[in-house]
Amino acid sequence: EADIYQTPRYLVIGTGKKITLECSQTMGHDKMYWYQQDPGMELHLIHYSYGVNSTEKGDLSSESTVSRIRTEHFPLTLESARPSHTSQYLCASTEGGWDNEQFFGPGTRLTVL
Amino acid sequence: AQKITQTQPGMFVQEKEAVTLDCTYDTSDQSYGLFWYKQPSSGEMIFLIYQGSYDEQNATEGRYSLNFQKARKSANLVISASQLGDSAMYFCAMREMNRDDKIIFGKGTRLHILP
Repeated sequence: EADIYQTPRYLVIGTGKKITLECSQTMGHDKMYWYQQDPGMELHLIHYSYGVNSTEKGDLSSESTVSRIRTEHFPLTLESARPSHTSQYLCASTEGGWDNEQFFGPGTRLTVL
Repeated sequence: AQKITQTQPGMFVQEKEAVTLDCTYDTSDQSYGLFWYKQPSSGEMIFLIYQGSYDEQNATEGRYSLNFQKARKSANLVISASQLGDSAMYFCAMREMNRDDKIIFGKGTRLHILP
């Protein structure tokens, strides 16, 4: 059973609002990731982190920002939500090593009106 | 160039039949891992099976097996005796030794199991 959590699970919000999507894991993993995914489509990596105080942008440009102040916590923030941000956001974590799978949180489905 | 290619955007299979989902990959690393994930309509990603580049035997996990053909760089997922609950998106992924911080995903295959 993967111990990675995301809140909220669903969020409907108006344009221009600031939002933070929470992601926490209790497995002590150094590497954490945020993916954006439209329904039935491929995953796009938007941010990742190697460990505390390290963050990197992913392959897909995103207006969101992330922080990693604690190993277990990797929140994603949108300063001003827009309808184009409507999507599912998946958080994941893993240990180092090419033979370890990623563990995924349940996802946050964001709708910006 | 795509590193993970899943050529079947969608598949329809009769219940209880076996199904093969294709995945080809491209890497210059000698050490790498291949993963399959299932994503039901609820949205969560479920890890199914893993195959390491040095594994000589095909991985199996219950009804799931991985048909690993290293020379062809293919890692097809085989689901035996399909069930209605197998209807989902399936993603093939790779993790390379030299870039183990990144996991590369294919675009996925949507599998529909027909009653």
